[in-house]
Amino acid sequence: AQKVTQAQTEISVVEKEDVTLDCVYETRDTTYYLFWYKQPPSGELVFLIRRNSFDEQNEISGRYSWNFQKSTSSFNFTITASQVVDSAVYFCALSEKGNEKLTFGTGTRLTIIP
Amino acid sequence: GAVVSQHPSRVICKSGTSVKIECRSLDFQATTMFWYRQFPKKSLMLMATSNEGSKATYEQGVEKDKFLINHASLTLSTLTVTSAHPEDSSFYICSARDLGGLMYEQYFGPGTRLTVT
Repeated sequence: AQKVTQAQTEISVVEKEDVTLDCVYETRDTTYYLFWYKQPPSGELVFLIRRNSFDEQNEISGRYSWNFQKSTSSFNFTITASQVVDSAVYFCALSEKGNEKLTFGTGTRLTIIP
Repeated sequence: GAVVSQHPSRVICKSGTSVKIECRSLDFQATTMFWYRQFPKKSLMLMATSNEGSKATYEQGVEKDKFLINHASLTLSTLTVTSAHPEDSSFYICSARDLGGLMYEQYFGPGTRLTVT
């Protein structure tokens, strides 16, 4: 069975600080996909990134970066120079090959303090 | 990009009534749509997988007679909460998979906030 753990329930940082959101996953499949979504107060899920299990390259997109480590089953998300607009709930999710279902973590509520 | 809409965005209904929520893929065809439920400050829980032209597959613990799902066309799935009660109040989100897209791609709707009084 697949499982996603986001141990950090809530994080608060002062604006311009860097912050890392942790995600640890469990799966028996060798082929799987990992995702990060942002959910602002409006409720709509915003897709941030998708990673397949064969691509361990870290990715950077502007102030966002992701660190995928298969050895520790982690897919952590870092925001550098945080901004107030980054305040939201962030979800990590997992989908196994051949199984379209997305399993979500419990989410991390990030608050950026001006 | 692929757009999924939900209607209504917000609904308040009285206990005992039924509420229908629509999920539409606006610019692509979706053989598969998913319905999620999210309680306040909680994660998204998959309720059911909706397949066009066939019966939905419900997750364990989800009452299929209470949450009726119909996927009558390649662009529309509906979720009907029958005889709603206050405990059904929640945020319902649908997602759709593009028929011509990658298997793992799901596009999410903006959600419907249901309040049962």
